[in-house]
Amino acid sequence: GENVEQHPSTLSVQEGDSAVIKCTYSDSASNYFPWYKQELGKRPQLIIDIRSNVGEKKDQRIAVTLNKTAKHFSLHITETQPEDSAVYFCAASGSNYQLIWGAGTKLIIKP
Amino acid sequence: DAGVIQSPRHEVTEMGQEVTLRCKPISGHNSLFWYRQTMMRGLELLIYFNNNVPIDDSGMPEDRFSAKMPNASFSTLKIQPSEPRDSAVYFCASSPGQEFGRDTQYFGPGTRLTVL
Repeated sequence: GENVEQHPSTLSVQEGDSAVIKCTYSDSASNYFPWYKQELGKRPQLIIDIRSNVGEKKDQRIAVTLNKTAKHFSLHITETQPEDSAVYFCAASGSNYQLIWGAGTKLIIKP
Repeated sequence: DAGVIQSPRHEVTEMGQEVTLRCKPISGHNSLFWYRQTMMRGLELLIYFNNNVPIDDSGMPEDRFSAKMPNASFSTLKIQPSEPRDSAVYFCASSPGQEFGRDTQYFGPGTRLTVL
């Protein structure tokens, strides 16, 4: 079946360093890849997305890269700050109008 | 824009009782999703609707769960009878639905359900 694997499950980085979260998807027909951030006790919110006709997209300190051949996509956060601490979810579009979600990565920013 | 509205925000009930969760999607959005989130299983899609029609309910755990969308501005998720293992945060999300699952989903604040 369709699935998305996300790694690592927990990532701890020093404030100011970069963080990278990686996802692999199974359905070669997937063409939409969003990333959501969920702060403790809050709802998931979209932070960036990418479509399969684009290899990379940036928004200030956040970037997403996509390798369709390898079926990989990654989230890159530079110059991490305390407010980046959260759980991050990747997702890929599925065959029946839904999103297939990764299991989430807990990002911890150490002061 | 008020965003996705869910009620109640918290629900505590006893095993065997019926629970009804409510959702009002963003006006103009055509797709609505119900999710369940737990530490053990993460974020699970239960069911989703497009233009008020259920498209896929394969994520509904069992017959105790049912969902309806009688009109474009209201949906319910019902659990009858409830069990302790149903304790979770239930999110409703909506999306414009113009790109068939390839557009942004906007989540509501969630309902935290505790079944004793």
